[in-house]
Amino acid sequence: AQRVTQPEKLLSVFKGAPVELKCNYSYSGSPELFWYVQYSRQRLQLLLRHISRESIKGFTADLNKGETSFHLKKPFAQEEDSAMYYCALSRITGGGNKLTFGTGTQLKVEL
Amino acid sequence: DVKVTQSSRYLVKRTGEKVFLECVQDMDHENMFWYRQDPGLGLRLIYFSYDVKMKEKGDIPEGYSVSREKKERFSLILESASTNQTSMYLCASRPGLGYVQYFGPGTRLTVT
Repeated sequence: AQRVTQPEKLLSVFKGAPVELKCNYSYSGSPELFWYVQYSRQRLQLLLRHISRESIKGFTADLNKGETSFHLKKPFAQEEDSAMYYCALSRITGGGNKLTFGTGTQLKVEL
Repeated sequence: DVKVTQSSRYLVKRTGEKVFLECVQDMDHENMFWYRQDPGLGLRLIYFSYDVKMKEKGDIPEGYSVSREKKERFSLILESASTNQTSMYLCASRPGLGYVQYFGPGTRLTVT
């Protein structure tokens, strides 16, 4: 069965410090992975997806199939990065592909 | 700009009541979803609709049903609300397979 694990409920870093939000997955098929973000009082939105291989708001994530990981990284944290981050895995089912989400990591950037 | 709207931001209902949560999207999207979001559990898929009148159970469908009579509207129904259904409910839509999902603002439901 597919699973997405985010081991940290809360990650607290100082402004300017590097950030790494961990995500591990288990899936028997070819994975497609995403990071979604929810800022305070805003709706959940896509941050990035692995097939795009792009950097959004300074964040990057590399799919490592050997370690079954898709960690989210940013070299220098900013105060506006404080938010809830969810890793998600796209899986194929009868009606089409659907997302399995991790439990989320709350990132707090302190001054 | 994609717009997914949900009928209420906050809702308080009593145990045993029938509850309707409405979701509307204005971008002619094929697929629509209902999730519940709980602290420490993340988002869990309740139901998914891939076309009008077509639906598929998600991971936690028990106690819920859905209706999609028109392409733009996807309703989540709690036939007899219970306190363990107190949660934040998120609706999402996407144009079709392989596309990104767009989320609504959420409805915080409290069942007393």
